[in-house]
Amino acid sequence: DAMVIQNPRYQVTQFGKPVTLSCSQTLNHNVMYWYQQKSSQAPKLLFHYYDKDFNNEADTPDNFQSRRPNTSFCFLDIRSPGLGDAAMYLCATSRGGADGYTFGSGTRLTVV
Amino acid sequence: AQKITQTQPGMFVQEKEAVTLDCTYDTSDPSYGLFWYKQPSSGEMIFLIYQGSYDQQNATEGRYSLNFQKARKSANLVISASQLGDSAMYFCAMRVVGGTSYGKLTFGQGTILTVHP
Repeated sequence: DAMVIQNPRYQVTQFGKPVTLSCSQTLNHNVMYWYQQKSSQAPKLLFHYYDKDFNNEADTPDNFQSRRPNTSFCFLDIRSPGLGDAAMYLCATSRGGADGYTFGSGTRLTVV
Repeated sequence: AQKITQTQPGMFVQEKEAVTLDCTYDTSDPSYGLFWYKQPSSGEMIFLIYQGSYDQQNATEGRYSLNFQKARKSANLVISASQLGDSAMYFCAMRVVGGTSYGKLTFGQGTILTVHP
């Protein structure tokens, strides 16, 4: 089945140690989104790609970076995770415009 | 800027009863889409129902229906015949079509629904 896959499902990282979360899709969608969702809060958009066109939200910390090497894969890099970066990270895809969204199952990040 | 407001942090309903989850929105764009998602404790975001701003009819999907009142800018979710498995967090979200946003989704704060047996 076509889907959006996030790996790993759970990630534990040390304070200050770089970590990478991955998202892959078999839908061939143009747009890929990364959301951060802290406990009991709404998902917050960090950035998104339309093909290779990168769009950063104004309030996304510099500590967060993203790469999209091809249509299928998108990575979220956290250069120096702090305790406040512990959250669920959701990847979603869309064809853009008025199309719907497909979400991955998320990666729950713990910072120790 | 777009804004979504869900004023009910938590709701309780008896099994087999109907429940309405409130959502109001604010946008100056004439073309937009409204979504409802269910998020169980496992964390995945499950799509429930969609309403486009130009849709004349209220959307329905099985036990879910959307009470769309455009003039009031509200898009309430109605769940009929609640089941224990409906207990979850529910998010209302809005997408504005057009511009350079590539259809990004803005979420409300969510409502935790608890279904009692």
